[in-house]
Amino acid sequence: KNQVEQSPQSLIILEGKNCTLQCNYTVSPFSNLRWYKQDTGRGPVSLTIMTFSENTKSNGRYTATLDADTKQSSLHITASQLSDSASYICVVSGRGNKLTFGTGTQLKVEL
Amino acid sequence: EAGVAQSPRYKIIEKRQSVAFWCNPISGHATLYWYQQILGQGPKLLIQFQNNGVVDDSQLPKDRFSAERLKGVDSTLKIQPAKLEDSAVYLCASSTHRASNEKLFFGSGTQLSVL
Repeated sequence: KNQVEQSPQSLIILEGKNCTLQCNYTVSPFSNLRWYKQDTGRGPVSLTIMTFSENTKSNGRYTATLDADTKQSSLHITASQLSDSASYICVVSGRGNKLTFGTGTQLKVEL
Repeated sequence: EAGVAQSPRYKIIEKRQSVAFWCNPISGHATLYWYQQILGQGPKLLIQFQNNGVVDDSQLPKDRFSAERLKGVDSTLKIQPAKLEDSAVYLCASSTHRASNEKLFFGSGTQLSVL
């Protein structure tokens, strides 16, 4: 069964600190892996999309890594800001471009 | 560029009532998706359209849910009759086409509460 598991479920950090969110997947065959940011009451917004051949991709202070051999990905946030408080969702695209969503990591950045 | 528009933003109904949601995708986007997101979970695909044709509706509870995209542009999702477990956010998304690495653009969703 295709699954995407994320950890931690929730995280609280101080403004200015870095953090790393984890994603493990069992989706096969693999097409690409995406990270989305979902603010409360809003739809998800795409941060990065990585294919099998890419092992790192950055979008400003967000850097995603992908290890297709171990089926793991991480999202690293540098110098966190209050506006980074959101749910971060890992999504894997598999056969027929079907997307399997993780349940997300709820991040809260505090002063 | 205008984003994906959805309405209403919120809807409260009683069980067994009917409800409809509307979505207008980004201009020129051929592919349109409806997702159901239950609190604390990731979105679950209900139905995917390519222009005005259905590509995937395998997870749509067809006994109570229906969706249409008659002219290949905007779309409506209907629930009739609603159940308590239908309480969720209904997200509409669109993309230019069905390529595997296509970026999806989501609307802000309609939050449905069934009492």
